[in-house]
Formats: sequence, C-alpha cells, structure tokens
Amino acid sequence: DTGVSQDPRHKITKRGQNVTFRCDPISEHNRLYWYRQTLGQGPEFLTYFQNEAQLEKSRLLSDRFSAERPKGSFSTLEIQRTEQGDSAMYLCASSTWARRTEKLFFGSGTQLSVL
Amino acid sequence: QQQVKQSPQSLIVQKGGISIINCAYENTAFDYFPWYQQFPGKGPALLIAIRPDVSEKKEGRFTISFNKSAKQFSLHIMDSQPGDSATYFCAASIEGGNEKLTFGTGTRLTIIP
Repeated sequence: DTGVSQDPRHKITKRGQNVTFRCDPISEHNRLYWYRQTLGQGPEFLTYFQNEAQLEKSRLLSDRFSAERPKGSFSTLEIQRTEQGDSAMYLCASSTWARRTEKLFFGSGTQLSVL
Repeated sequence: QQQVKQSPQSLIVQKGGISIINCAYENTAFDYFPWYQQFPGKGPALLIAIRPDVSEKKEGRFTISFNKSAKQFSLHIMDSQPGDSATYFCAASIEGGNEKLTFGTGTRLTIIP
C-alpha cells in the first residue's frame, strides 16, 4: 500500500495524558498537512509542512499541540495534557506541490477519544 | 468563521436518480474548488475539482457546476448508485498560497434501491 499511513488508528486516553500520532506520507510528496475532524463536521486545517519546514499553524493549534517533520519524511503530532475537547479524528494528508496540480491524499486518520 | 456553507446536511435519493449538493463561499480569493468523498472509517478522497475559469466540469457520472457571480458551486451525481452512499464535502482554497483547504460541513448521501 503506497498511500498515506497513520498510526495508531484508534487511541483512548485519560484527560491530562500526552498522546503522539504518526503520519507516513506518500514517499515522493514534499507537502504534509494535519487536519482535525469532529463528528458531523468537515476537516479543519491544523498545520502543514513543506519538506521539514512547518510553514503555517492554525489558531486551532493551541500551545498544547506540537507537530514535527524531521528530515522531511514522516510527521508526528503530539498533544500534551489532553482535554475532552481534543476528542476527534486527526487526519494527515500529503501532496506534491506543483502549480495547478495540487491534489491532497488523505490517510484514514487516528480517532482520539479522551475520557 | 465558516467560509464554505454546504447544504443539505443529509440527502436520500433513489437508485438511478440525480443527487445534488450545493455549496456557497464567501472569500472571493478562493480559486480552487474540490469535492471530496468520505466513507465511514476512511479519510476523504478527491472526487472532482474545478477552477473558476470554467462553469462546468464533468467526469463520468459526476459534474461540478460553478457560478462565480453567485459564489456558488454544486455537485451533481447522475444515475446515483448504492455505492455512492457516503459523506460528501465541498472545499475551497487559494492557489498560490499554502493551498490549505477550507471544507464545508458535509452532506450525508444515502442511495436507496
């Protein structure tokens, strides 16, 4: 399978715990995005990387959230001191940025439940 | 601020019928309008996209109609099939920026026999 891979698929944690998610993009893709999707809503942009550089962060991304993409390959999203409001599907997407041909490929997401 | 409004929230269509989902946007800088299809437990997958230099784009049974002056665009699914039952999201982005997508709230489509 050469698609976007996310791990774990499901994560249940207690409020106050830290969690980390991993995303492996399609290998030749230089752009990587994180989105959050709550039940009944469309995905909301969180942050994106071009290669290893984090180029934009949404206001949704509080200081409890941090994302990294070392060496421009896989990415991790860490949430510290989780809150019940963090419960959502966290989606990763990747693309090869070329003008007028941008196409985002999404992974199947990590479903986070904070108890 | 919700920049892309999508309707209806849910839609039931008989097999063989036409499914129509509508979206309206506010930001006139948007210049790329994709539609995504999402099945339960999966991430969204790109279905079809349009840029504002054309008023219609057709790919198989899927057509996007675009009205730049009204700031509206719609997805038409012809000859709807049970396998089309999914949640559909419209989205918009600004090309030349960071291309991040702003999504609508989704339409849950059910095709009944």
